[in-house]
Amino acid sequence: QKEVEQDPGPLSVPEGAIVSLNCTYSNSAFQYFMWYRQYSRKGPELLMYTYSSGNKEDGRFTAQVDKSSKYISLFIRDSQPSDSATYLCATYAGGTSYGKLTFGQGTILTVHP
Amino acid sequence: SAVISQKPSRDICQRGTSLTIQCQVDSQVTMMFWYRQQPGQSLTLIATANQGSEATYESGFVIDKFPISRPNLTFSTLTVSNMSPEDSSIYLCSVEVGPRVGDTQYFGPGTRLTVL
Repeated sequence: QKEVEQDPGPLSVPEGAIVSLNCTYSNSAFQYFMWYRQYSRKGPELLMYTYSSGNKEDGRFTAQVDKSSKYISLFIRDSQPSDSATYLCATYAGGTSYGKLTFGQGTILTVHP
Repeated sequence: SAVISQKPSRDICQRGTSLTIQCQVDSQVTMMFWYRQQPGQSLTLIATANQGSEATYESGFVIDKFPISRPNLTFSTLTVSNMSPEDSSIYLCSVEVGPRVGDTQYFGPGTRLTVL
């Protein structure tokens, strides 16, 4: 079993739709949760960062973490064609695991006009 | 923030040869990381590179296959040795900037390697 599971999609939605991206993880030591966006032929860029459980909102993006169910979500409101990319969830335990991110497989998202 | 460049951006290599990938950061950073992203797969950490010490490799990765250098606080190289087609992948370096772990890890654009 992979430590972080993510539905690879692909996911195709019309412009303006609400997008929900999800990951589950198995290691209860994970404390830090991130979402990265990766455009084709580019490196991942950090979108959202959350520590422990809770919600975090940044513009059209909302990240949710539920540590009791080991579930991570990213919501994109009013999706735009420019949101078309691969979205990667990532987690990190902290402590001696300094900097060692564990990634999900990535979900390919296409937003069509 | 940090701006990271990698060279080469892509290469096509023959089986049995080696390729050295360079990673340059525009600021001094303590730790640099090397990841592999195989086709259709997510990112997998290869090793952590600290300046002035030996790199720390993750399970499944060995120094003989992926030697790493970290001569200063802004530069690192990863060599993919004795390549086989299974090494075809995107190789990315990343750095962590700032006092809080996790929230400021920046990635380079990647090196796309194809081994024939």
